[in-house]
Amino acid sequence: GDSVTQMEGPVTLSEEAFLTINCTYTATGYPSLFWYVQYPGEGLQLLLKATKADDKGSNKGFEATYRKETTSFHLEKGSVQVSDSAVYFCAPLRSGGSNYKLTFGKGTLLTVNP
Amino acid sequence: GAGVSQSPSNKVTEKGKDVELRCDPISGHTALYWYRQSLGQGLEFLIYFQGNSAPDKSGLPSDRFSAERTGGSVSTLTIQRTQQEDSAVYLCASLKATNTGELFFGEGSRLTVL
Repeated sequence: GDSVTQMEGPVTLSEEAFLTINCTYTATGYPSLFWYVQYPGEGLQLLLKATKADDKGSNKGFEATYRKETTSFHLEKGSVQVSDSAVYFCAPLRSGGSNYKLTFGKGTLLTVNP
Repeated sequence: GAGVSQSPSNKVTEKGKDVELRCDPISGHTALYWYRQSLGQGLEFLIYFQGNSAPDKSGLPSDRFSAERTGGSVSTLTIQRTQQEDSAVYLCASLKATNTGELFFGEGSRLTVL
């Protein structure tokens, strides 16, 4: 079945540091890939996505590139802010006919200190 | 409503009692998902409803868990004879459109079994 391996946290950085959160997946075919974010006290929300190989998803300064050859979708940001402190989830989307199911990684807790 | 609504937001119950958790998805969304979020375990898929199709129940951890979706809208997740290991945050999400795969999450129902 589908699975996703995500860098374990917690990750603690100082403001303006560079961030990478690794994510690799196994899935049948070429799924769409997603990063979701959960800010403290809030529900999960979509951060960015990529639907095919070599696509780059980007939002709020975060980027991730769909690497088919390495089955990876690593999340990066060049300069993190305190407001980026949250839990980040990588998720490939399995689709078959009319069925769509996201398989989430375990999440990576990011804390950014001022 | 504006978003996915879940109730109750917090539920404390005694071991052996039954609980019901409710989800009101975003109107017009095609599918509804239940996930469970436990500390250190990430998001665990429970069940998925898509239109009038038979639900995908492959993630339900035991026969004490069941869910229904009435009229293609509101969903109820029922846990019978609760156990302490059922303590978690139960998240509901609805799907905006099948070709985007973007889920919209509620803020969750935190269940504590004493």
